[in-house]
Amino acid sequence: ETGVTQSPTHLIKTRGQQVTLRCSSQSGHNTVSWYQQALGQGPQFIFQYYREEENGRGNFPPRFSGLQFPNYSSELNVNALELDDSALYLCATTTGTGGVIDQPQHFGDGTRLSIL
Amino acid sequence: GDSVTQMEGPVTLSEEAFLTINCTYTATGYPSLFWYVQYPGEGLQLLLKATKADDKGSNKGFEATYRKETTSFHLEKGSVQVSDSAVYFCALSRGSARQLTFGSGTQLTVLP
Repeated sequence: ETGVTQSPTHLIKTRGQQVTLRCSSQSGHNTVSWYQQALGQGPQFIFQYYREEENGRGNFPPRFSGLQFPNYSSELNVNALELDDSALYLCATTTGTGGVIDQPQHFGDGTRLSIL
Repeated sequence: GDSVTQMEGPVTLSEEAFLTINCTYTATGYPSLFWYVQYPGEGLQLLLKATKADDKGSNKGFEATYRKETTSFHLEKGSVQVSDSAVYFCALSRGSARQLTFGSGTQLTVLP
């Protein structure tokens, strides 16, 4: 039990729709990262938020966007969904200054997004 | 750019067998190295880590040594159990980089 909660656990959407995924971080964790894990692959970094500001971004298009709230919970928004967006979306939280990775990252169980 | 290469699976072993999962990396500078484990239907859990050359990370009977000369971080366990069945991911991070770079994962199944 990591204390990181993601919702919903499963979601089905169609191409062109928009989706919002949510992550509640473990108490005191001020940094949240989002990853996309396609079936049979390792997670790919989408972006990180630290104290409500984007703090690093991977190779994902602008239709992937996020927010972090004052209580450090976070949202991942994806617009204009494509079939290739079908994946498990993981969030990971930690403490620290700017999210340097040497501190343990605590992962949630993910949201399984299916695009039809 | 940074990359991590893991041995392809799936790997199937009998209980009490010896486990090795190979991992090599490409990165500039001196990355930190990690092994994560993912049980069915769950997120990733940090298994062990090493932050500098020749460090050995260990946890729950698993070990891995950071070998800079061979750019490797192979995972080993002397005697696996059925409960070790999971997907194992090797990963790295560099300096001020904000993200983990993962390998593609190795599925381990341990039979009783």
